[in-house]
Amino acid sequence: ELKVEQNPLFLSMQEGKNYTIYCNYSTTSDRLYWYRQDPGKSLESLFVLLSNGAVKQEGRLMASLDTKARLSTLHITAAVHDLSATYFCAAFDYKLSFGAGTTVTVRA
Amino acid sequence: EAGVTQFPSHSVIEKGQTVTLRCDPISGHDNLYWYRRVMGKEIKFLLHFVKESKQDESGMPNNRFLAERTGGTYSTLKVQPAELEDSGVYFCASSLGAGTYNEQFFGPGTRLTVL
Repeated sequence: ELKVEQNPLFLSMQEGKNYTIYCNYSTTSDRLYWYRQDPGKSLESLFVLLSNGAVKQEGRLMASLDTKARLSTLHITAAVHDLSATYFCAAFDYKLSFGAGTTVTVRA
Repeated sequence: EAGVTQFPSHSVIEKGQTVTLRCDPISGHDNLYWYRRVMGKEIKFLLHFVKESKQDESGMPNNRFLAERTGGTYSTLKVQPAELEDSGVYFCASSLGAGTYNEQFFGPGTRLTVL
């Protein structure tokens, strides 16, 4: 069974600083997703990473994948308030296996 | 185009009662998935429909849970009788295909509270 560990579970960010969320998965996976969820809203797909060394960037968020280490990271550059949300990583092997989520709050 | 919709958004019931959750997938999406997140834990897969057929129901916790997908369109997930540990957020997702390059689109979830 594919298991996904995500850390930290809670992240209090100061505006303007950089932070990283880590996602480890236990067995081979076809692809790795990062999602964002705002309270009461759907899971919004941020990135899909398909191959070793893949790096994707959108605004202040950058995701990378190391399939040999079975590790993906979500790096946040110069945090701003509107990045406050819960972030999930999920690995796909015929179905999605999710991490526990990282609740991010950004303070001034 | 409408996204995945779920009804109700919230449900509060007493232990022992029955609750039915509904999911309407994106039109034309043959694949429909149910997931659940219990308090503070990871989102867990429950089951996968391809059209009206259950492709994988390995994540269903026990026989108090019954999922149906009539005519391959909307799906319902019934919990009968509900127990305290069933509380959580139930997500539905749909996709066009089920392979590696078919993204799942999620609904907003139904928050179930069992008292």
